[in-house]
Amino acid sequence: DSGVTQTPKHLITATGQRVTLRCSPRSGDLSVYWYQQSLDQGLQFLIQYYNGEERAKGNILERFSAQQFPDLHSELNLSSLELGDSALYFCASSVSNRGGRETQYFGPGTRLLVL
Amino acid sequence: DAKTTQPNSMESNEEEPVHLPCNHSTISGTDYIHWYRQLPSQGPEYVIHGLTSNVNNRMASLAIAEDRKSSTLILHRATLRDAAVYYCIQLSQGAQKLVFGQGTRLTINP
Repeated sequence: DSGVTQTPKHLITATGQRVTLRCSPRSGDLSVYWYQQSLDQGLQFLIQYYNGEERAKGNILERFSAQQFPDLHSELNLSSLELGDSALYFCASSVSNRGGRETQYFGPGTRLLVL
Repeated sequence: DAKTTQPNSMESNEEEPVHLPCNHSTISGTDYIHWYRQLPSQGPEYVIHGLTSNVNNRMASLAIAEDRKSSTLILHRATLRDAAVYYCIQLSQGAQKLVFGQGTRLTINP
C-alpha cells in the first residue's frame, strides 16, 4: 500500500460525458502527479501540482483539467469524453518538488471505460 | 525527453539473481537513474534510484557504470512476485515528470 488513494476504482460512462477522478496523496506529500496508461500510448505524464499550483504539464488534452485543493487532494476532470479516453489513470505523490531526487508513490489507479 | 533503452523481455528462475540492463547514453552529470516496476493490475512502484555510485535497498541493488551511460538493476533472489514490467527512467534534477518507455517485462519461472 503506497498510501495514495484514488476513487473510483472503476468508471463506465458514455461518449460526450464528463467525469471526475479523485486522488488523495500520501500524508505530508505536497506534489500530486497524474498519468494516463493506455494500450497504445503506454504510461504518459499529464500534469503536476505542487501545493495547490500547477507546476508541470505534459500531453494533457484541452478537454482535461485538474486542480489541487487546500487539503492537497487533487481532482482530474475529463470532459467531452471519447472512446480513446478509455485508459487507466494513475495519481502519484511526492514529498516536494525536487524532481530527480524524489520518489513518486503511485495509487492503484482508476480504470475508465468510455462506451 | 531523455530516452533509455531496455530489452523488451527477460526470463529468469525463482530464487536466482536477475540482472536487468538499461542504457542511458545521453545522460548528463546531474541526471538521476530511477527504476520503477509495475506488477499486473497495479500502479507503478518505486524500486530504487541513484546518481553516481551504486545503491542498495531492501528491494534491489543498482549498479551504475563508471561513465554513467548504463546501469543494471539487480534482484538478488527473484521470487514469483517479482514478475513485472521494469522501467528505467533518466530524470534530471529539475524535471518533474517520469517518462516511461516500454520497459522490460520480467518473467519468473517457478
